[in-house]
Amino acid sequence: GQQLNQSPQSMFIQEGEDVSMNCTSSSIFNTWLWYKQEPGEGPVLLIALYKAGELTSNGRLTAQFGITRKDSFLNISASIPSDVGIYFCAGQPGAGSYQLTFGKGTKLSVIP
Amino acid sequence: DAGITQSPRHKVTETGTPVTLRCHQTENHRYMYWYRQDPGHGLRLIHYSYGVKDTDKGEVSDGYSVSRSKTEDFLLTLESATSSQTSVYFCAISERVEQYFGPGTRLTVT
Repeated sequence: GQQLNQSPQSMFIQEGEDVSMNCTSSSIFNTWLWYKQEPGEGPVLLIALYKAGELTSNGRLTAQFGITRKDSFLNISASIPSDVGIYFCAGQPGAGSYQLTFGKGTKLSVIP
Repeated sequence: DAGITQSPRHKVTETGTPVTLRCHQTENHRYMYWYRQDPGHGLRLIHYSYGVKDTDKGEVSDGYSVSRSKTEDFLLTLESATSSQTSVYFCAISERVEQYFGPGTRLTVT
């Protein structure tokens, strides 16, 4: 089946630094989604991307749908302690199904 | 946030016993999903539903069954629980591609 490779697996950053993470695949995806999960909770949808090349922001978060449709990037600017969590990418492989393929997550730790 | 609740939130059960987890939504979304989340594996789809009484298998469906008799409820049953089914289970709902997750159920099979 289709797989998403998410990197890095984990990262430790200083408060105030910018963060970048990405998802890549050998397959094409129609839609890319980014989720954040905090301990003991379910994933929360942050950003959805629907077209190749699309760049979308949500506050300090910016995500891009790669032009090849095989990758997506998430950037967080000026990190703060509440950014801590696991960030997941998810892709919709085909237009005829709403099933998602998930990456294994990037665990973000912010050092105050 | 989407109105999704899961019950129970925590459960400990013994090997061989049946277990049913419930997902309830107040959003009237057509699609509902059950995932399990395990370290090193991320989120894996167990079963999903595309309407009342319409369900299909996901990636890791062995040992699980589901039922959806009403739009708002999606039940996941472990027919005979095994230790390998110790996991955190998430329900999700969607009307289109964007899925919204419930708070999860932590299941421990001893």
